[in-house]
Amino acid sequence: DIQMTQSPSTLSASVGDRVTITCRASQSISSWLAWYQQKPGKAPKLLIYDASTLESGVPSRFSGSGSGTEFTLTISSLQPDDFATYYCQQYNSYWTFGQGTKVEIK
Amino acid sequence: QVQLQESGPGLVKPSETLSLTCTVSGVSISNYYWSWIRQPPGKGLEWIGFIHHSGSTDSNASLKSRVTTSVDTSKNQFSLKVSSVTAADTAVYYCARHRSTAGGGKDWFDPWGQGTLVIVTS
Repeated sequence: DIQMTQSPSTLSASVGDRVTITCRASQSISSWLAWYQQKPGKAPKLLIYDASTLESGVPSRFSGSGSGTEFTLTISSLQPDDFATYYCQQYNSYWTFGQGTKVEIK
Repeated sequence: QVQLQESGPGLVKPSETLSLTCTVSGVSISNYYWSWIRQPPGKGLEWIGFIHHSGSTDSNASLKSRVTTSVDTSKNQFSLKVSSVTAADTAVYYCARHRSTAGGGKDWFDPWGQGTLVIVTS
């Protein structure tokens, strides 16, 4: 099984901050990685796929990078609507998720 | 617009079988792969299993012996059964469509249903 590890688990930030979340895979997954945003009581929402492709309709302040085993999700200027939990997901071999990173208000 | 809606009992007794259905609208179920994913309260996401109308299925090794998936193309629905449930199966269960640019199983999930909470309790 491919294990996905996100860091940090919780991140405290202010509106306007640049935020970076890291996701590491236990083995190479090429660029087969997606990022999702989840708000309380809601289903995950796709933000990025293939490690760096922004889903249609997602604000351009979100970006993804990386390949192999290390990936990042960056929010260039945090907005009030962005306080949520973020998950990475590999789809190189079956499907596994990171444990999540909660972005909270500082 | 593709929409998915989960349905099924919200309470299941220990040792019994959990049964859920996902109704798809806006697209033919025959054109895609479909998965079930669950999320225990306050925890992360776990892929359960996928199905294709051709009969192709697979499930998470940790659940394989207890999971059955099926599809009903006439109703544009697919279903999940998890047998011999315990409290550890208490979770929000989501259904989701597979999407891909490369094919060959290199799929992510989008969109997702809103989710349904299933509680295992006597």
